[in-house]
Amino acid sequence: DVKVTQSSRYLVKRTGEKVFLECVQDMDHENMFWYRQDPGLGLRLIYFSYDVKMKEKGDIPEGYSVSREKKERFSLILESASTNQTSMYLCASSPSGTGFNQPQHFGDGTRLSIL
Amino acid sequence: SQQGEEDPQALSIQEGENATMNCSYKTSINNLQWYRQNSGRGLVHLILIRSNEREKHSGRLRVTLDTSKKSSSLLITASRAADTASYFCATDNTGGFKTIFGAGTRLFVKA
Repeated sequence: DVKVTQSSRYLVKRTGEKVFLECVQDMDHENMFWYRQDPGLGLRLIYFSYDVKMKEKGDIPEGYSVSREKKERFSLILESASTNQTSMYLCASSPSGTGFNQPQHFGDGTRLSIL
Repeated sequence: SQQGEEDPQALSIQEGENATMNCSYKTSINNLQWYRQNSGRGLVHLILIRSNEREKHSGRLRVTLDTSKKSSSLLITASRAADTASYFCATDNTGGFKTIFGAGTRLFVKA
């Protein structure tokens, strides 16, 4: 089975801090994604990557950056954390295919609180 | 509004009953997917139905797709307490490279 592992289940940081969220997948998937999930808003795509060192902005990239130096690892970076970035962050991966129509495999999420 | 919108927002039923959730979307799609999310966990892929399919089954799950109405339904038969979760539909759009998730239906199955 595909395993997507996020480095932390819960994280508490202070405003202004630089925050790193790590995600590793073990199935050699080309595509990786970062979402945030807020009540009533569903999942919103922050960034995605379809290959090593490649990245594309999603719907809400402001205040975030990403890094993909190795195929299995996709990092989300909050450059200067703010309270409105308190959320559940979900990482996902999928194999390559036509567009991004393949089923995505999710990690268990990181619940991030910014104080 | 979102590409995929689930209805109802919340549903409470007794164990053994069937649960039906609906999803509407706005633009043409290549496929539609349904996911489940248990409380505090990530999403788990349940089923994918392509735009040229009308119905698909997987165990106690039945998904239908009506592209003329731009809608899909997920039926869970003989529900169990373990089916308690949030259910999301997710669509692509033929012109894009993103999967777009709805806000979900929260299902509560009472034992």
